[in-house]
Amino acid sequence: EAGVAQSPRYKIIEKRQSVAFWCNPISGHATLYWYQQILGQGPKLLIQFQNNGVVDDSQLPKDRFSAERLKGVDSTLKIQPAKLEDSAVYLCASSPPGTAGGPTGELFFGEGSRLTVL
Amino acid sequence: QKEVEQDPGPLSVPEGAIVSLNCTYSNSAFQYFMWYRQYSRKGPELLMYTYSSGNKEDGRFTAQVDKSSKYISLFIRDSQPSDSATYLCAMSAGSNYQLIWGAGTKLIIKP
Repeated sequence: EAGVAQSPRYKIIEKRQSVAFWCNPISGHATLYWYQQILGQGPKLLIQFQNNGVVDDSQLPKDRFSAERLKGVDSTLKIQPAKLEDSAVYLCASSPPGTAGGPTGELFFGEGSRLTVL
Repeated sequence: QKEVEQDPGPLSVPEGAIVSLNCTYSNSAFQYFMWYRQYSRKGPELLMYTYSSGNKEDGRFTAQVDKSSKYISLFIRDSQPSDSATYLCAMSAGSNYQLIWGAGTKLIIKP
């Protein structure tokens, strides 16, 4: 079974530039998450999708971050304009449906996209 | 005060030792408890998943939950250099609730 695919693995940009990250979750996983992980910290949830609907985006800085999940499969996370403090690893994860159709809490992560903002 | 506290380490132990990793939490509503392992430059991977209190064993790994003390532990027996990684605890109040993560403990197993 293929895992969660993310690209690019690494990206270096100047502040105020824009960047986009792509994620393809495990087939059949309706729930998709984008996390931000700063060095030495645990993952911080940015946005959670259930199919192509947003479940939780309360911690997404909406003035600069946006995310979409077209057709309930692939997802893209965009940052525009980037700030120095956005330097982090952006992790995509997906989760299989639980007994009630919602996520189980068992997350499968991709390898992450490492962003450096100069 | 953070909802989940975890000592960042690093914790360095010799090969073959028993390792104890711990997290404390403040929200008594948490019922689902997970341990994830994260190798350098990789995404976290689920190691252990427990519901409510008690112990769960899987090979060299044992997860323990003490809800009365709001304390969870992960024990690794016969530790190997390949166990060197960052171990993250995570927990939630229900299967449809957001996961709350610890900061992770970096573990180093010396050959």
